[in-house]
Amino acid sequence: AQSVTQLDSQVPVFEEAPVELRCNYSSSVSVYLFWYVQYPNQGLQLLLKYLSGSTLVESINGFEAEFNKSQTSFHLRKPSVHISDTAEYFCAVSDIGGYSTLTFGKGTMLLVSP
Amino acid sequence: DVKVTQSSRYLVKRTGEKVFLECVQDMDHENMFWYRQDPGLGLRLIYFSYDVKMKEKGDIPEGYSVSREKKERFSLILESASTNQTSMYLCASSLYSRGPFTEAFFGQGTRLTVV
Repeated sequence: AQSVTQLDSQVPVFEEAPVELRCNYSSSVSVYLFWYVQYPNQGLQLLLKYLSGSTLVESINGFEAEFNKSQTSFHLRKPSVHISDTAEYFCAVSDIGGYSTLTFGKGTMLLVSP
Repeated sequence: DVKVTQSSRYLVKRTGEKVFLECVQDMDHENMFWYRQDPGLGLRLIYFSYDVKMKEKGDIPEGYSVSREKKERFSLILESASTNQTSMYLCASSLYSRGPFTEAFFGQGTRLTVV
């Protein structure tokens, strides 16, 4: 079984400041890793994913995350946030092998103010 | 684009009622899921289905059942709704039931209130 810990339930930042949303996971097997974003009153959308290869993955809107196997982490970063980045962010894992399901963290609300 | 459609955005039901939440996906995905989303608890897996007529319990199946008679449709059933089942319900689908997990696509969610 796997689990995901998102250490911050809420992260307030000012516009144009850098941000890091933390995610740690626990699993007895190798995993795939994901970040999903949920804007107000909407469903979840995939932001980025790590399946294999380069440990640094990027999204089209400037977010990046780095897979660190030794620290079992997959932290999400953006060097300069916009008001429109205000949303809830969920980290998720899926075991490699077995049935393909996603286990989510509890979410981090990113609040960007002017 | 993959589309996952949930039949209702908002539902209000009475305690003890039998409730059906319907979900349809249009991309021939093998896997379908029902999650429940509550503030501070994130998303928790209720049930998933890896094939027609097949189902597996997730982390919180108590009080729920599911049905998958056709590949594109996955229904969540609350046999006797209770107030502690008031929540946001999210349906999702993914291409493969095994092997590389590349992405899950989510519906808009159904906000269920049980009074």
